[in-house]
Amino acid sequence: DAGVIQSPRHEVTEMGQEVTLRCKPISGHDYLFWYRQTMMRGLELLIYFNNNVPIDDSGMPEDRFSAKMPNASFSTLKIQPSEPRDSAVYFCASSSRDRGYEQYFGPGTRLTVT
Amino acid sequence: GIQVEQSPPDLILQEGANSTLRCNFSDSVNNLQWFHQNPWGQLINLFYIPSGTKQNGRLSATTVATERYSLLYISSSQTTDSGVYFCAVRGYSTLTFGKGTMLLVSP
Repeated sequence: DAGVIQSPRHEVTEMGQEVTLRCKPISGHDYLFWYRQTMMRGLELLIYFNNNVPIDDSGMPEDRFSAKMPNASFSTLKIQPSEPRDSAVYFCASSSRDRGYEQYFGPGTRLTVT
Repeated sequence: GIQVEQSPPDLILQEGANSTLRCNFSDSVNNLQWFHQNPWGQLINLFYIPSGTKQNGRLSATTVATERYSLLYISSSQTTDSGVYFCAVRGYSTLTFGKGTMLLVSP
């Protein structure tokens, strides 16, 4: 199994630009999670999906953030427009009810907004 | 929501030493995971352990769900064990993470 795949691994962009982060969950997993990690706030859950449907987006910081899961093998997290305070590592994780909801994390995308 | 506390926050060890990391949680949970975040930032699954004891090489973990704590044991530590160790618990639907224990193993 390839594990959770994220792209890009690093992203540097200027303030005001649109940023799109991508995630491919583990095949067969029915839950997908987006997290953000910063030194100040640690790991924060932004949003999660079950069977491609967003279940809880209460962690999404503001309207500049949006996430989609058009099918079981792909999800995006979009920031528009980006701001320097969005600089962080963004992780995608997936899990399966059939395997007790154990979460597996992707390698993360390190985002820097200048 | 569930509160997760990890101790100690920081730990410095000489290579070869043993250590115990603790995770306390405030409510009953459906599962508990231990992760290692290595110096490159990757989050690596160590244990999925809602209760009982598991061992994997030099690492082992014990969760006593009735008393709301879990312990991670690292024996004969190596420099590659350095990083941050996170405990995460699931109540109803999502994982709640502790703040982590930062471990530095020096040669």
